[in-house]
Amino acid sequence: AQSVTQLGSHVSVSEGALVLLRCNYSSSVPPYLFWYVQYPNQGLQLLLKYTSAATLVKGINGFEAEFKKSETSFHLTKPSAHMSDAAEYFCAVSGWGNNRLAFGKGNQVVVIP
Amino acid sequence: DVKVTQSSRYLVKRTGEKVFLECVQDMDHENMFWYRQDPGLGLRLIYFSYDVKMKEKGDIPEGYSVSREKKERFSLILESASTNQTSMYLCASSPGTSLWFFGPGTRLTVL
Repeated sequence: AQSVTQLGSHVSVSEGALVLLRCNYSSSVPPYLFWYVQYPNQGLQLLLKYTSAATLVKGINGFEAEFKKSETSFHLTKPSAHMSDAAEYFCAVSGWGNNRLAFGKGNQVVVIP
Repeated sequence: DVKVTQSSRYLVKRTGEKVFLECVQDMDHENMFWYRQDPGLGLRLIYFSYDVKMKEKGDIPEGYSVSREKKERFSLILESASTNQTSMYLCASSPGTSLWFFGPGTRLTVL
């Protein structure tokens, strides 16, 4: 079975500052890892995913995440926050041979001008 | 583009009503899923299906059932809606383990 832990339901970041959202996972098989973003009143949009290729994954809108097997982590970063980054972010995990996608509880990001 | 469509964006029902939420995908995917999304709880898997007429319980199946008579359509059924089923419901489809496509969601309110 797979599971995801995202700490800190609400995250405040100043405009221009680093965005760091933490994700730790548990998986009994090699994992596939995902970050999704949900803007207000919109559906889920895939930001990036790790599928066992490069451990540093670049996504849309300047976001990237690094897979660290030893730490069972897949933290999401963006060097400089923009007002348009205000949204809810979800980390998710599935695994080889397992077609279930398990989500974390999400981080609501607020960008302070 | 893969499309996952859900029959309604907003739905208001009364306690005790039978409610059908419909989901259709147009890419011949084997797997389809129903999630509910609640503030602070993320997305939780209700049911999924890996083939026509096949279904498996997810993490929170109580109070729900599903139907998959055709490959492209996956229905979520609330046999007797209750106020604690007020939520956002998201459908997804997937061809395998590394790609998911989500519908726009149905916001259900049970009065």
